[in-house]
Amino acid sequence: GAGVSQSPSNKVTEKGKDVELRCDPISGHTALYWYRQSLGQGLEFLIYFQGNSAPDKSGLPSDRFSAERTGGSVSTLTIQRTQQEDSAVYLCASSFSRTDRLFFGSGTQLSVL
Amino acid sequence: GQQLNQSPQSMFIQEGEDVSMNCTSSSIFNTWLWYKQDPGEGPVLLIALYKAGELTSNGRLTAQFGITRKDSFLNISASIPSDVGIYFCAGRNSGTYKYIFGTGTRLKVLA
Repeated sequence: GAGVSQSPSNKVTEKGKDVELRCDPISGHTALYWYRQSLGQGLEFLIYFQGNSAPDKSGLPSDRFSAERTGGSVSTLTIQRTQQEDSAVYLCASSFSRTDRLFFGSGTQLSVL
Repeated sequence: GQQLNQSPQSMFIQEGEDVSMNCTSSSIFNTWLWYKQDPGEGPVLLIALYKAGELTSNGRLTAQFGITRKDSFLNISASIPSDVGIYFCAGRNSGTYKYIFGTGTRLKVLA
């Protein structure tokens, strides 16, 4: 696609429920990143994909967080048993290669009540 | 996680004034990126820098890759109201794929 697409743009959920966030990277971009941005804060790295592999998952806050990427394209970030502290904007970015510039989607605003 | 230090954290300026902000790191980077983020949107890439000492412009924006490779600077000339937003720097070291982001500079322009 023309840009990185994320869905949904907003998600409100109840504490304890699972959520799935989707990212469609720019066509042809092999590298895909997930970042988290809490209110008024900078960007916190979560996970990096090169193709379908995730060589670095070091930023995932807990084992409730997982992500996968299929077909070298779409990625899904899953948060199980959501907690209020999970509330944040989840941003996806892609790049042509692991050393290229990052291009971001508009993010998913997650609110856990 | 690791973050870069950006300053100032926020600034109010009059329309037409020039703006300067900077980003510093304890590590050497070989790539610096500057982004602008509007409310409810993802960061948009403004300028990319790849070499120490490099000076690159994008319209009224000019960014520099510091000689020490531990800092970068962004200048906005003749600011206008639509410059309002949060500006982030991001740096990456050679051989790594992960960009580290700054804490952001929130810019407000008074008409």
